[in-house]
Amino acid sequence: GENVEQHPSTLSVQEGDSAVIKCTYSDSASNYFPWYKQELGKRPQLIIDIRSNVGEKKDQRIAVTLNKTAKHFSLHITETQPEDSAVYFCAAANQAGTALIFGKGTTLSVSS
Amino acid sequence: EPEVTQTPSHQVTQMGQEVILRCVPISNHLYFYWYRQILGQKVEFLVSFYNNEISEKSEIFDDQFSVERPDGSNFTLKIRSTKLEDSAMYFCASSLTQGASSTFFGQGTRLTVV
Repeated sequence: GENVEQHPSTLSVQEGDSAVIKCTYSDSASNYFPWYKQELGKRPQLIIDIRSNVGEKKDQRIAVTLNKTAKHFSLHITETQPEDSAVYFCAAANQAGTALIFGKGTTLSVSS
Repeated sequence: EPEVTQTPSHQVTQMGQEVILRCVPISNHLYFYWYRQILGQKVEFLVSFYNNEISEKSEIFDDQFSVERPDGSNFTLKIRSTKLEDSAMYFCASSLTQGASSTFFGQGTRLTVV
């Protein structure tokens, strides 16, 4: 089955810097890759996603890139702000599209 | 904005007891899921449900777990005989289209088994 690896586990940046979180997946049949932001004690919130027919997608300060050949995808946050501090999870849909398989999460800390 | 809602927000139960966690998915969504998150760990898939039947289940979803859509709005997860290791945050989620795309999560039920 699908396996998702995520790095780094923690990331500390200064306000205004960029942050990059990387994930790899194992199942080449996966075709949907969302990113979720989870603040302490709250629900995972979908912040951006990408399908396998697209290499890059951007939404304001957030972008996601996908390399299907290498089976990895990355989240890029530019001009980070303290309110970006949270745990970020990448995920990949399984081959049947019936489940999301999550990475272990990255705790992003943005200091002002 | 429509949301997935879950009740209760926190449930404490004795080991061996049955619990039912309740969810109201987003009204026009057709695909329903349960995930769990042990404190400090990643979100783990339990089960997906479509057209009144289970589409997929993980190894975690053994015979002590069951799901039901008893009416047109509710979606429930039952744990028949709780164990200490069932303590976790349980998230219900739903999506409109297949492929797990645009899956939205509820706020979670924290289950504590004592």
